[in-house]
Amino acid sequence: KQEVTQIPAALSVPEGENLVLNCSFTDSAIYNLQWFRQDPGKGLTSLLLIQSSQREQTSGRLNASLDKSSGRSTLYIAASQPGDSATYLCAGVQGGSEKLVFGKGTKLTVNP
Amino acid sequence: EAQVTQNPRYLITVTGKKLTVTCSQNMNHEYMSWYRQDPGLGLRQIYYSMNVEVTDKGDVPEGYKVSRKEKRNFPLILESPSPNQTSLYFCASSLYGVEGAFQPQHFGDGTRLSIL
Repeated sequence: KQEVTQIPAALSVPEGENLVLNCSFTDSAIYNLQWFRQDPGKGLTSLLLIQSSQREQTSGRLNASLDKSSGRSTLYIAASQPGDSATYLCAGVQGGSEKLVFGKGTKLTVNP
Repeated sequence: EAQVTQNPRYLITVTGKKLTVTCSQNMNHEYMSWYRQDPGLGLRQIYYSMNVEVTDKGDVPEGYKVSRKEKRNFPLILESPSPNQTSLYFCASSLYGVEGAFQPQHFGDGTRLSIL
Protein backbone atom coordinates (compact mmCIF):
# COMPACT_ATOMS: atom_id res chain seq x y z
CA LYS A 1 0.00 0.00 0.00
CA GLN A 2 1.34 3.39 -1.01
CA GLU A 3 2.20 5.71 1.87
CA VAL A 4 3.14 9.34 1.37
CA THR A 5 5.07 11.27 4.00
CA GLN A 6 5.79 14.97 4.23
CA ILE A 7 8.46 16.37 6.52
CA PRO A 8 8.47 18.79 8.24
CA ALA A 9 4.87 19.17 9.32
CA ALA A 10 5.39 22.90 9.74
CA LEU A 11 7.97 25.39 8.50
CA SER A 12 8.45 29.09 9.24
CA VAL A 13 10.79 31.22 7.13
CA PRO A 14 11.51 34.92 6.60
CA GLU A 15 10.27 36.59 3.45
CA GLY A 16 12.63 36.27 0.48
CA GLU A 17 14.09 32.94 1.48
CA ASN A 18 14.30 30.04 -0.98
CA LEU A 19 12.89 26.85 0.49
CA VAL A 20 12.32 23.18 -0.25
CA LEU A 21 9.38 21.05 0.82
CA ASN A 22 9.83 17.30 0.87
CA CYS A 23 7.56 14.43 -0.03
CA SER A 24 8.49 10.76 0.13
CA PHE A 25 6.54 7.71 -0.98
CA THR A 26 7.00 4.04 -0.23
CA ASP A 27 6.17 2.47 -3.58
CA SER A 28 8.21 3.52 -6.61
CA ALA A 29 5.43 2.25 -8.88
CA ILE A 30 3.85 5.68 -8.84
CA TYR A 31 2.12 7.04 -11.91
CA ASN A 32 2.33 10.70 -11.14
CA LEU A 33 2.88 13.14 -8.32
CA GLN A 34 0.88 16.28 -7.69
CA TRP A 35 1.56 19.22 -5.42
CA PHE A 36 -1.36 21.17 -3.99
CA ARG A 37 -1.84 24.26 -1.93
CA GLN A 38 -4.60 24.57 0.69
CA ASP A 39 -5.53 27.85 2.32
CA PRO A 40 -7.43 27.80 5.64
CA GLY A 41 -11.10 26.93 5.14
CA LYS A 42 -10.61 26.36 1.43
CA GLY A 43 -10.33 23.52 -1.01
CA LEU A 44 -7.11 22.41 -2.64
CA THR A 45 -5.53 24.14 -5.59
CA SER A 46 -3.31 22.11 -7.91
CA LEU A 47 0.14 23.68 -8.30
CA LEU A 48 2.18 21.23 -10.32
CA LEU A 49 1.70 17.76 -11.75
CA ILE A 50 4.62 15.52 -12.69
CA GLN A 51 3.75 12.55 -14.87
CA SER A 52 5.59 9.28 -14.37
CA SER A 53 7.79 9.85 -17.42
CA GLN A 54 8.83 13.33 -16.31
CA ARG A 55 11.49 14.45 -13.84
CA GLU A 56 10.32 17.96 -13.04
CA GLN A 57 7.82 20.72 -13.70
CA THR A 58 8.10 24.47 -13.27
CA SER A 59 5.55 27.22 -12.82
CA GLY A 60 6.74 30.70 -11.99
CA ARG A 61 8.64 30.59 -8.69
CA LEU A 62 7.75 26.93 -8.14
CA ASN A 63 9.71 23.91 -9.27
CA ALA A 64 8.78 20.34 -8.48
CA SER A 65 10.96 17.31 -9.06
CA LEU A 66 10.26 13.60 -8.98
CA ASP A 67 12.81 10.86 -8.35
CA LYS A 68 11.00 7.54 -8.47
CA SER A 69 14.09 5.48 -7.71
CA SER A 70 14.61 7.20 -4.37
CA GLY A 71 10.90 7.60 -3.66
CA ARG A 72 11.12 11.37 -3.31
CA SER A 73 9.62 14.54 -4.66
CA THR A 74 10.56 18.09 -3.74
CA LEU A 75 8.79 21.41 -4.19
CA TYR A 76 11.17 24.33 -4.46
CA ILE A 77 9.79 27.81 -3.80
CA ALA A 78 12.03 30.68 -4.80
CA ALA A 79 12.00 34.09 -3.16
CA SER A 80 9.17 33.24 -0.77
CA GLN A 81 6.44 35.80 -0.05
CA PRO A 82 3.90 36.13 2.78
CA GLY A 83 1.22 35.18 0.25
CA ASP A 84 2.87 31.77 -0.06
CA SER A 85 1.75 30.97 3.49
CA ALA A 86 -0.50 27.92 3.25
CA THR A 87 -0.46 24.17 3.70
CA TYR A 88 1.24 22.30 0.87
CA LEU A 89 0.24 18.73 0.13
CA CYS A 90 1.68 16.16 -2.21
CA ALA A 91 -0.31 13.24 -3.61
CA GLY A 92 0.66 10.25 -5.68
CA VAL A 93 -1.32 7.93 -7.89
CA GLN A 94 -0.63 4.33 -6.96
CA GLY A 95 0.66 2.23 -9.82
CA GLY A 96 -1.89 -0.34 -10.91
CA SER A 97 -4.79 1.63 -9.48
CA GLU A 98 -6.47 4.97 -9.85
CA LYS A 99 -6.30 5.80 -6.13
CA LEU A 100 -4.80 9.09 -5.07
CA VAL A 101 -2.82 8.96 -1.81
CA PHE A 102 -2.07 12.20 0.02
CA GLY A 103 0.62 13.20 2.45
CA LYS A 104 -0.48 15.07 5.57
CA GLY A 105 0.99 18.30 4.37
CA THR A 106 3.55 20.91 5.40
CA LYS A 107 2.18 24.12 6.89
CA LEU A 108 4.32 26.97 5.58
CA THR A 109 4.45 30.40 7.19
CA VAL A 110 6.40 33.16 5.45
CA ASN A 111 7.04 36.04 7.83
CA PRO A 112 7.25 39.61 6.49
CA GLU B 1 -16.14 29.33 -15.20
CA ALA B 2 -14.67 25.86 -14.68
CA GLN B 3 -15.66 24.62 -11.27
CA VAL B 4 -16.59 21.80 -8.96
CA THR B 5 -19.67 22.63 -6.91
CA GLN B 6 -20.57 20.90 -3.66
CA ASN B 7 -23.78 21.30 -1.70
CA PRO B 8 -24.43 21.86 1.07
CA ARG B 9 -21.35 23.67 2.36
CA TYR B 10 -22.31 23.07 5.97
CA LEU B 11 -24.66 20.55 7.55
CA ILE B 12 -25.45 19.60 11.12
CA THR B 13 -27.61 16.52 11.46
CA VAL B 14 -28.32 13.60 13.76
CA THR B 15 -27.23 10.00 13.84
CA GLY B 16 -29.13 7.74 11.45
CA LYS B 17 -30.75 10.40 9.29
CA LYS B 18 -29.88 9.70 5.66
CA LEU B 19 -28.14 12.51 3.85
CA THR B 20 -26.71 13.23 0.41
CA VAL B 21 -23.91 15.62 -0.48
CA THR B 22 -24.05 16.61 -4.12
CA CYS B 23 -21.07 17.25 -6.37
CA SER B 24 -21.22 18.63 -9.88
CA GLN B 25 -18.50 19.60 -12.35
CA ASN B 26 -18.81 21.52 -15.60
CA MET B 27 -15.51 20.49 -17.23
CA ASN B 28 -16.59 17.16 -18.79
CA HIS B 29 -14.08 15.34 -16.59
CA GLU B 30 -14.02 11.56 -16.57
CA TYR B 31 -12.53 11.10 -13.09
CA MET B 32 -14.38 12.19 -9.97
CA SER B 33 -13.57 11.45 -6.37
CA TRP B 34 -14.61 12.04 -2.77
CA TYR B 35 -12.21 12.67 0.12
CA ARG B 36 -12.55 13.34 3.80
CA GLN B 37 -10.09 15.48 5.71
CA ASP B 38 -9.54 14.97 9.43
CA PRO B 39 -6.98 16.57 11.78
CA GLY B 40 -3.92 14.38 12.12
CA LEU B 41 -5.11 11.98 9.41
CA GLY B 42 -4.95 14.23 6.37
CA LEU B 43 -6.96 13.66 3.22
CA ARG B 44 -8.23 10.16 2.60
CA GLN B 45 -10.02 8.94 -0.49
CA ILE B 46 -13.52 7.53 0.05
CA TYR B 47 -14.67 6.56 -3.43
CA TYR B 48 -13.71 7.42 -6.96
CA SER B 49 -15.25 7.05 -10.40
CA MET B 50 -13.48 6.62 -13.70
CA ASN B 51 -16.57 7.40 -15.76
CA VAL B 52 -20.34 6.95 -15.87
CA GLU B 53 -21.44 3.78 -14.05
CA VAL B 54 -17.84 2.99 -13.04
CA THR B 55 -17.02 3.46 -9.37
CA ASP B 56 -14.50 1.94 -6.97
CA LYS B 57 -13.56 2.08 -3.32
CA GLY B 58 -10.87 4.30 -1.97
CA ASP B 59 -9.17 3.77 1.37
CA VAL B 60 -12.12 4.57 3.67
CA PRO B 61 -15.38 3.55 1.94
CA GLU B 62 -17.23 2.08 4.94
CA GLY B 63 -20.50 3.84 5.67
CA TYR B 64 -20.64 5.66 2.33
CA LYS B 65 -22.27 5.07 -1.04
CA VAL B 66 -21.82 6.81 -4.37
CA SER B 67 -23.38 6.74 -7.79
CA ARG B 68 -22.33 8.06 -11.19
CA LYS B 69 -25.37 8.11 -13.45
CA GLU B 70 -24.31 11.23 -15.29
CA LYS B 71 -20.81 12.36 -16.15
CA ARG B 72 -21.14 15.69 -14.38
CA ASN B 73 -22.59 14.48 -11.06
CA PHE B 74 -21.12 12.30 -8.31
CA PRO B 75 -23.23 12.40 -5.12
CA LEU B 76 -21.98 11.03 -1.79
CA ILE B 77 -24.64 9.23 0.23
CA LEU B 78 -24.53 8.50 3.95
CA GLU B 79 -27.36 6.01 4.51
CA SER B 80 -27.09 5.98 8.31
CA PRO B 81 -24.64 8.66 9.42
CA SER B 82 -22.71 8.21 12.64
CA PRO B 83 -20.64 10.69 14.71
CA ASN B 84 -17.36 9.24 13.39
CA GLN B 85 -18.35 10.56 9.95
CA THR B 86 -18.13 14.11 11.22
CA SER B 87 -15.51 15.59 8.92
CA LEU B 88 -14.66 17.99 6.12
CA TYR B 89 -15.50 16.45 2.75
CA PHE B 90 -14.09 17.36 -0.64
CA CYS B 91 -15.15 16.41 -4.12
CA ALA B 92 -12.66 16.59 -6.97
CA SER B 93 -12.54 15.92 -10.69
CA SER B 94 -9.95 15.64 -13.43
CA LEU B 95 -9.42 14.56 -16.98
CA TYR B 96 -8.12 11.04 -17.27
CA GLY B 97 -6.31 9.58 -20.24
CA VAL B 98 -4.44 6.34 -20.54
CA GLU B 99 -3.71 4.35 -17.39
CA GLY B 100 -2.46 6.65 -14.68
CA ALA B 101 -2.36 9.69 -16.93
CA PHE B 102 -4.19 12.04 -14.64
CA GLN B 103 -4.46 15.71 -15.27
CA PRO B 104 -4.54 18.16 -12.37
CA GLN B 105 -7.37 17.60 -9.92
CA HIS B 106 -9.93 20.38 -9.43
CA PHE B 107 -11.40 20.53 -5.94
CA GLY B 108 -14.67 21.85 -4.63
CA ASP B 109 -14.74 24.22 -1.65
CA GLY B 110 -15.65 21.47 0.79
CA THR B 111 -18.64 20.38 2.89
CA ARG B 112 -18.38 20.45 6.65
CA LEU B 113 -20.56 17.72 8.14
CA SER B 114 -21.36 17.42 11.83
CA ILE B 115 -23.19 14.27 12.93
CA LEU B 116 -24.59 14.55 16.45
